[in-house]
Amino acid sequence: GAVVSQHPSRVICKSGTSVKIECRSLDFQATTMFWYRQFPKKSLMLMATSNEGSKATYEQGVEKDKFLINHASLTLSTLTVTSAHPEDSSFYICSARLRGPETQYFGPGTRLLVL
Amino acid sequence: GQNIDQPTEMTATEGAIVQINCTYQTSGFNGLFWYQQHAGEAPTFLSYNVLDGLEEKGRFSSFLSRSKGYSYLLLKELQMKDSASYLCAVRQRPTLYYGNNRLAFGKGNQVVVIP
Repeated sequence: GAVVSQHPSRVICKSGTSVKIECRSLDFQATTMFWYRQFPKKSLMLMATSNEGSKATYEQGVEKDKFLINHASLTLSTLTVTSAHPEDSSFYICSARLRGPETQYFGPGTRLLVL
Repeated sequence: GQNIDQPTEMTATEGAIVQINCTYQTSGFNGLFWYQQHAGEAPTFLSYNVLDGLEEKGRFSSFLSRSKGYSYLLLKELQMKDSASYLCAVRQRPTLYYGNNRLAFGKGNQVVVIP
């Protein structure tokens, strides 16, 4: 199946700093990628849809100025958590949509801990 | 909006059969997915239903009834490695604002397989 990678897999940062998470589709081109957040024992919550070459579409309640998304190429989308606070600590997962089967393939996730 | 409901946890014996149910209410239904997620890992795709009926894939089968807003995932010949959370996700049709198909996830059903 299609492979999606994320980097870093785990990050610990101080409150107030910014953290960038990369999502790459390794063996296919993805015009659309999705960013999710998952708190412990909770479901995946869609944060935004990342579209190559255009602005991301954010879900209701997600601050676009706090969670900056850039989809610069057909294989890379980045999520930057700006001025991170402890409540931003979560598991962030990206997915990429493969054309045709319309299936989303998920990256391995990034665990963010803000101290 | 959407509302997706799944029972939270069940325990089953190795070799047994287990059925995981999912009910949903959504506008613009455009398919239902089942994903498996092991603790601390990203979800992996299991099955996809867009028409009513049963889809069989090896030990896993998934059923959909659109009129009832209901789906189930059937796991046969349970193995220890099947211990995981099983997520159902409803795909919604694009809208004027959201130009792509989006997935809304249920909370997941934790299956614990015991010897």
